[in-house]
Amino acid sequence: DGGITQSPKYLFRKEGQNVTLSCEQNLNHDAMYWYRQDPGQGLRLIYYSQIVNDFQKGDIAEGYSVSREKKESFPLTVTSAQKNPTAFYLCASSAGELFFGEGSRLTVL
Amino acid sequence: GEDVEQSLFLSVREGDSSVINCTYTDSSSTYLYWYKQEPGAGLQLLTYIFSNMDMKQDQRLTVLLNKKDKHLSLRIADTQTGDSAIYFCAESLLIPTFGRGTSLIVHP
Repeated sequence: DGGITQSPKYLFRKEGQNVTLSCEQNLNHDAMYWYRQDPGQGLRLIYYSQIVNDFQKGDIAEGYSVSREKKESFPLTVTSAQKNPTAFYLCASSAGELFFGEGSRLTVL
Repeated sequence: GEDVEQSLFLSVREGDSSVINCTYTDSSSTYLYWYKQEPGAGLQLLTYIFSNMDMKQDQRLTVLLNKKDKHLSLRIADTQTGDSAIYFCAESLLIPTFGRGTSLIVHP
């Protein structure tokens, strides 16, 4: 079945560590997005990519990095520079309609 | 102000209709979406409407678009307890922009 797969679903990290969240899609979509969701908040855009080997910063890119080496994959690295990384992270892809993965919950201990 | 605005809470009785409202600012938006999010889960696409449409109906869901007022609504007929969730409105031309979500509470 076509869809978007995010992993891991839950992740714990110590302060000062970088972590990478995986996002894979088999929908053949060109555009992919990373959003962050905090309790009671809407979705805030971290990074997006309209095409392979190209990506742009969103509204809250500081402390995050991405790569887009393959059409299917858009991993997000949460670096130690991100001051408040505990959140729910959502990956999406689009070729018109926008579809989401199931999310990854990151907790910094 | 926010690009997409929604009221934060809506409480309805089981069996009644629910109407969730949304206003947006970008008149060039191509797609307007409604998503449902259950606790701990991702966003499930419920329905969407193209900006050149006024209405779309899909089973219990009716979407109305007033382009002049930049107002979008989602009506859920015969609301059930399983409809309790957070509903997000989003607009998109290039980059999808979301509202903060409306928590729908369905009580017996």
